[in-house]
Amino acid sequence: DIQMTQSPSSLSASVGDRVTITCRASDGISNYLHWYQQKPGKAPKLLIYGASILQSGVPSRFSGSGSGSHFTLTISSLQPEDFGTYYCQQSFNTLLITFGGGTKVEI
Amino acid sequence: QVQLQESGPGLVKPAQTLSLTCGVSGGSISSGAEYWTWIRQHPGKALEWIGFIYHSGSPYYNPSLKSRTIISVDTSKNQLSLRLNSVTAADTAMYFCARMRRDGSNYFFDYWGQGILVTVSS
Repeated sequence: DIQMTQSPSSLSASVGDRVTITCRASDGISNYLHWYQQKPGKAPKLLIYGASILQSGVPSRFSGSGSGSHFTLTISSLQPEDFGTYYCQQSFNTLLITFGGGTKVEI
Repeated sequence: QVQLQESGPGLVKPAQTLSLTCGVSGGSISSGAEYWTWIRQHPGKALEWIGFIYHSGSPYYNPSLKSRTIISVDTSKNQLSLRLNSVTAADTAMYFCARMRRDGSNYFFDYWGQGILVTVSS
């Protein structure tokens, strides 16, 4: 199994702050890494795929980078609506797709 | 705009079979290169991939659930189904269906249902 480890597990930041979330894979996964935002009681929403490609309709303050085993999701200027839990997901091994443990963002 | 909607019982007794369906609207389940997926989330926990299926192919399952899981598609009804046998309290979770899109060698979930909470209890 490819284990995905996110850090921090939670953070509190202010509106306008730059926020960075890290996702590490237990093995190299090239750029097969995707990011989701989930709000309480809702389904996850795709933000970024292929490590750095912004999904259509997602604000440009969200960006992703990384390759191999180290990835980051950055919110350049945190907005009130950005609260929620963020998950990374790898698809390098499509026969066992795995998610990170999540990072809870509080405003 | 593709929409997915899960349905099924919210309460299942231990040792019985959990059966859910996912209706797809706004697109055909049998067109394109998409795969159709079930994912679950235990209360307050992270997401767990259950398995996926292509409309004309074999399903693939999470090895930890493979022995108890059947995923199928009904193209005439444009829906996806999940059956999980011999359930225990550990199967209590929110169950999501999702469309898995392929972009090159990347596979990711771009459309999700709202989810359905299934509780396993006598």
